[in-house]
Parts: sequence; structure tokens; C-alpha cells
Amino acid sequence: DVVVTQSPLSLPVTLGQPASISCRSSQSLVKSDGNTYLHWFQQRPGQSPRRLIYKVSNRDSGVPDRFSGSGSGTDFTLKISRVEAEDVGLYYCGQTSLWPHTFGQGTKLEIK
Amino acid sequence: EVQLVESGGGSVQPEGSLRLSCAASGFTFSNSWMSWVRQAPGRGLEWVAHIHPGGSQTYYVDSSRGRFTISRDNAKNSLYLQMNSLRAEDTAVYYCAAWVGQNYWGQGTLVTVSP
Repeated sequence: DVVVTQSPLSLPVTLGQPASISCRSSQSLVKSDGNTYLHWFQQRPGQSPRRLIYKVSNRDSGVPDRFSGSGSGTDFTLKISRVEAEDVGLYYCGQTSLWPHTFGQGTKLEIK
Repeated sequence: EVQLVESGGGSVQPEGSLRLSCAASGFTFSNSWMSWVRQAPGRGLEWVAHIHPGGSQTYYVDSSRGRFTISRDNAKNSLYLQMNSLRAEDTAVYYCAAWVGQNYWGQGTLVTVSP
């Protein structure tokens, strides 16, 4: 199985400051069709997960442009340019390139 | 408005069975890959099962293979998860999720397995 490892697992951030989460996979997530199916999800307290970024760097509809994704192969990053109070919650990277699809452990973002 | 509404969760004894349902609306269900994803209390997300839009292909994580069955009825815009031989470690909130360009999640249904 593809192991997806996130860091850090806890991320205290001052409002208005940037934040960055790393995601590394145990093998390349480039699929035979040339696409890389690495996505980022947000789970606010008490809510269902919501996808923010799909295929490494594409923002989902309605996602603020302060969220961006980058990376390739096995190394990926989610960046928040200026953290707002509504960004508090858990962030997961997840891969759907290979079955079983797998998620990272989650990163808890909190406000300092 | 897109909606995914799970039902069928509850409390069950070990080795018991439950059938979860997910009613979909607001998007073209028959074009959508569908998944069940679970989250144990205080834990992260785990994919459980995944099904092709036409139902011809199904995928299971090792811990659910042989005990769980994912299925769908495109005429009813519904997704199902038949869970047999339940174990304590299956205790979780079970979400259905749709993948059709956009990605949609339900609110989840809680399954508790305990004596």
C-alpha cells in the first residue's frame, strides 16, 4: 500500500501568517495516464471533510485563493498564504492514484 | 443543491451486521465513482470501499475485504455498504463520498460495535 506521511502533525499559526504542510508518499503517484492524483482535504471541527485541492495544484470551486498546492512525484505541499480563523481544523492529503487509496495522518492547524 | 445523506448506522454487537445507505441528489450519480470512507473516534480518515459508476468494478481495503460489500442502484441514486462480521475496530463515522469532477461528502453515520 502507498503510505502517505504528513508533517507537521500539529501546526500552530498566528492569524495572518503563512502556513505550510508537507505530504510525502512511499512511491510515485504519477499514474499511467500522466496525472498525479494527490489531493488535499480540510475537515473543520464537527464537519465532514471537504476537498480543497485536486491533482496536486487545482483549487476546488469556492476555495479561497490563499490555498495553493504544489509538488510532484512523491513530495507535495499545501500552503496557506495568510491564515484566517476559519482555517482551523484538520488537513489531510490523500492519494487516489493507486488502490487502496490512502490518506495521510492529518495535520491539526490551530491559531496561536 | 448537492446532497449525500447517509443512514443505517447504529449500535451492533461484535459479529453482527449493518447495511448503510447513501441517498444522492443534485448531481449525476450514475456518472460518479463513489466511496465509503470512515473515521474512527479521534482518528484520521480511512478509505473502506470504492465503486465504479456502473458498478462493474469494486475495490476494498484489506481490513474490509470479505466482510463488507459496496453496491449501488443508479435508478435510485443510492449507494450501499453491507457490513458483516463487524468488529470493535470497525467503530467509526462512515461517510459516503462522490467523485465526479467535483467531490462531495455526506454528513456521516456513526457505527458503534460493542458487546
